[in-house]
Amino acid sequence: NAGVTQTPKFQVLKTGQSMTLQCAQDMNHEYMSWYRQDPGMGLRLIHYSVGAGITDQGEVPNGYNVSRSTTEDFPLRLLSAAPSQTSVYFCASTKYSLGGTGEQDTQYFGPGTRLTVL
Amino acid sequence: AQTVTQSQPEMSVQEAETVTLSCTYDTSESDYYLFWYKQPPSRQMILVIRQEAYKQQNATENRFSVNFQKAAKSFSLKISDSQLGDAAMYFCAYRTALNYGQNFVFGPGTRLSVLP
Repeated sequence: NAGVTQTPKFQVLKTGQSMTLQCAQDMNHEYMSWYRQDPGMGLRLIHYSVGAGITDQGEVPNGYNVSRSTTEDFPLRLLSAAPSQTSVYFCASTKYSLGGTGEQDTQYFGPGTRLTVL
Repeated sequence: AQTVTQSQPEMSVQEAETVTLSCTYDTSESDYYLFWYKQPPSRQMILVIRQEAYKQQNATENRFSVNFQKAAKSFSLKISDSQLGDAAMYFCAYRTALNYGQNFVFGPGTRLSVLP
């Protein structure tokens, strides 16, 4: 059981380039999300998905696209990278159920991707 | 919208001593969950402890315990017998229990240093 995996761990882009950050989980979790972490701001939600084929925007969605074709994978696409997107990106997954408690409400994180846009 | 505040950007504690990290939150909901996550230099986010708002009993996990004051909307983390490995960023997080698709809201974090 690998949990949540992210690739790559590090990436340097030039302004205007596009790329995809990969995220996969093998826990059969319905809910997946992408965060960015910037100094002094904690984690901010970019996009999330409550299941295959269903995605929605979070707090800071501009400049990012997502899709969810399978339960396991939730890639994040940067369409045209900008220096303001320099950050550490985390993917997370949760097994939700309505009114659920315990492990079902705990969010599991990947190791993160450090992205620098020059 | 819910907000989470951590008023201590940095804290330090002597090894083997006890330290308390503060967290307050703002919500109009009565049912929700609260979490403390630890982020060591490796960057990995590690769940430390969780608390259901409907439970009056404070959660404990080994050396980690919380002081949950629902009326005051306060959720502090106490680390007893601090160890060098406890040095990390600590994030307080909130999640509603109401909506299936609702998300976590994180505080800005507290950087904890442990002095030998």
